[in-house]
Amino acid sequence: EIVLTQSPATLSLSPGERATLSCRASQTVNSYLAWYQQKPGQAPRLLIYDASNRATGIPARFSGSGSGTDFTLTISSLEPEDFAVYYCQHRSTFTFGPGTRVDIK
Amino acid sequence: QVQLVQSGAEVKKPGASVKVSCKTSGYTFTRYYMHWVRQAPGQGLEWMGIINPSSGSTSSAQKLQGRVTMTRDTSTSTVYMELSSLRSEDTAVYYCARDQEYWGQGTLVTVSS
Repeated sequence: EIVLTQSPATLSLSPGERATLSCRASQTVNSYLAWYQQKPGQAPRLLIYDASNRATGIPARFSGSGSGTDFTLTISSLEPEDFAVYYCQHRSTFTFGPGTRVDIK
Repeated sequence: QVQLVQSGAEVKKPGASVKVSCKTSGYTFTRYYMHWVRQAPGQGLEWMGIINPSSGSTSSAQKLQGRVTMTRDTSTSTVYMELSSLRSEDTAVYYCARDQEYWGQGTLVTVSS
């Protein structure tokens, strides 16, 4: 069973700052990893698939990297609408990580 | 445009079953798998299962096997998720998601005596 661990649990940053979120898999997932953003009261939104591909309509400030067991979601310069919870997911077993909350410092 | 419209909120007693629908439009129904994902209050996302709308074949999360049934109606482009033997821990918002890129609005299922 593949387990995804996300760190940190909470990231407190200011608008304009760079956000770096980590997702680690208990065993290799190759590049079958996705990232989602979820705001309160809303459905999740797919940001990144296959580790580094932006989904349709996703701004270029969001980027994904990594392969194997270690992955990173980077938001180059936080906009006010980016404060949310971010989940990673293994796209083969569909397992989600526990999430990282990005809140306003 | 792709739309997934789910049925309304439900309140059920422990031990009962609930059936949530997800009516789709704006694309060829049989060409894309549909997932079900749930989220308990204040908690993270939990993948429940997947259905192939073309064949009707399904696969579900191990912890829900035996309690979750996913079906589809190709004549109405609708998928269904039924969860039986409900417990308080099943209280959650239930989402359908096409390829996990397009999501329904969510259906709150409350299990309470």
